[in-house]
Amino acid sequence: NAGVMQNPRHLVRRRGQEARLRCSPMKGHSHVYWYRQLPEEGLKFMVYLQKENIIDESGMPKERFSAEFPKEGPSILRIQQVVRGDSAAYFCASSADRVSFLYEQYFGPGTRLTVT
Amino acid sequence: DAKTTQPPSMDCAEGRAANLPCNHSTISGNEYVYWYRQIHSQGPQYIIHGLKNNETNEMASLIITEDRKSSTLILPHATLRDTAVYYCIVYASGTYKYIFGTGTRLKVLA
Repeated sequence: NAGVMQNPRHLVRRRGQEARLRCSPMKGHSHVYWYRQLPEEGLKFMVYLQKENIIDESGMPKERFSAEFPKEGPSILRIQQVVRGDSAAYFCASSADRVSFLYEQYFGPGTRLTVT
Repeated sequence: DAKTTQPPSMDCAEGRAANLPCNHSTISGNEYVYWYRQIHSQGPQYIIHGLKNNETNEMASLIITEDRKSSTLILPHATLRDTAVYYCIVYASGTYKYIFGTGTRLKVLA
């Protein structure tokens, strides 16, 4: 059973360009979460999505950032007009359907974004 | 903000037990204690979780005090591959958002 997959693993963008980060959840998982990690810090929650729905985007900056999880295909985190402060590791996690109220989140390997 | 406090770093000799403490004095009755680790900037890896009883799996043991205000993650025979940052997270059932603190950087020494 393949784990959470993220691509690309490394992404370099110049200031002002767009960054698209993709996440394929584990098989059978329909809940996806995005986290951001700055150097030497813990992970910070950004957004929680279910298929075709954004459930909570309270951790996502109001401008330039957007996320989607379409009916078919991976979840996408999109950053428009990137700035140097966007340089970070972005992790995606997924979890199973809420058959029970308690479930673990399984994390992907992350995408390291560098803005030059 | 994270509801947990952990020591920033610890060392452990290879083959010995590593005991990682976590304080969560404001934990609520419906909140669980989860442990994850992050090895060299990889994605966090789930280790174990518990509510009030001690738990054990193939990776580790989790000891939660009776008042639930603190817990200890035990790696019974630490190896060099256990060198990582360990995060203790308090997580309420029915919610979905993990709030990570800065964790404990465990270094296992040969």
